[in-house]
Amino acid sequence: QVQLQESGPGLVKPSETLSLTCSVSGYYISSGYYWGWIRQPPGKGLEWIGSMSHTKSTFYNPSLKSRVAISIDTSKNQLSLKLSSVTAADTATYFCAKGHTANYYNFEYWGQGALVTVSS
Amino acid sequence: QSALTQPPSASGSPGQSVTISCTGTSSDVGGYNYVSWYQQHPGKAPKFMIYEVTKRPSGVPDRFSGSKSGNTASLTVSGLQPEDEGYYYCSSYAGSNNVVFGGGTKLTVL
Repeated sequence: QVQLQESGPGLVKPSETLSLTCSVSGYYISSGYYWGWIRQPPGKGLEWIGSMSHTKSTFYNPSLKSRVAISIDTSKNQLSLKLSSVTAADTATYFCAKGHTANYYNFEYWGQGALVTVSS
Repeated sequence: QSALTQPPSASGSPGQSVTISCTGTSSDVGGYNYVSWYQQHPGKAPKFMIYEVTKRPSGVPDRFSGSKSGNTASLTVSGLQPEDEGYYYCSSYAGSNNVVFGGGTKLTVL
């Protein structure tokens, strides 16, 4: 059974960088598929942030591309997210997810999410 | 404002069928057969329900079905059960390496 768990600071100051890690168990990231990040502001809908494959092929939401970096550490079986120059609008629950089939458009397994609040 | 438009709410009685729409444009829903649907219960992670418009992942009951006509995709839940209550989100590949979601629909089982 594939399981994902997000971790990282729950509070980030404006203008700083948000950093989250997703630990994967039950599947080796290096074995395949895309791995992505999706966020959900409180009481609102979902927003795709970006996805990376096991071969490091990466795609980002155009509206966030200038501030986002996703990476994979196969030795730790982890996925990471960095979002720079954050504002209150970046306050959200951040989910990591495993892709389905060979593309990055679908997300089959999800972590429980990590709430990140941007506030001074 | 979300890229894909969904009705804020939908409802039905147990045993009935309900259909949730997801309207986009020819650049996303209408242009590709890469529409997905997710179910989310409050405080929980989304659950993968439908992909590539009509396909069901393993373990998803066949009461859930997807379709598409033009720029509008639809999710139909037949034989409504109390546990179907929750939020439903559609998503679509939108070209130019982008993925967009709908704003979500709250499904109430009366």
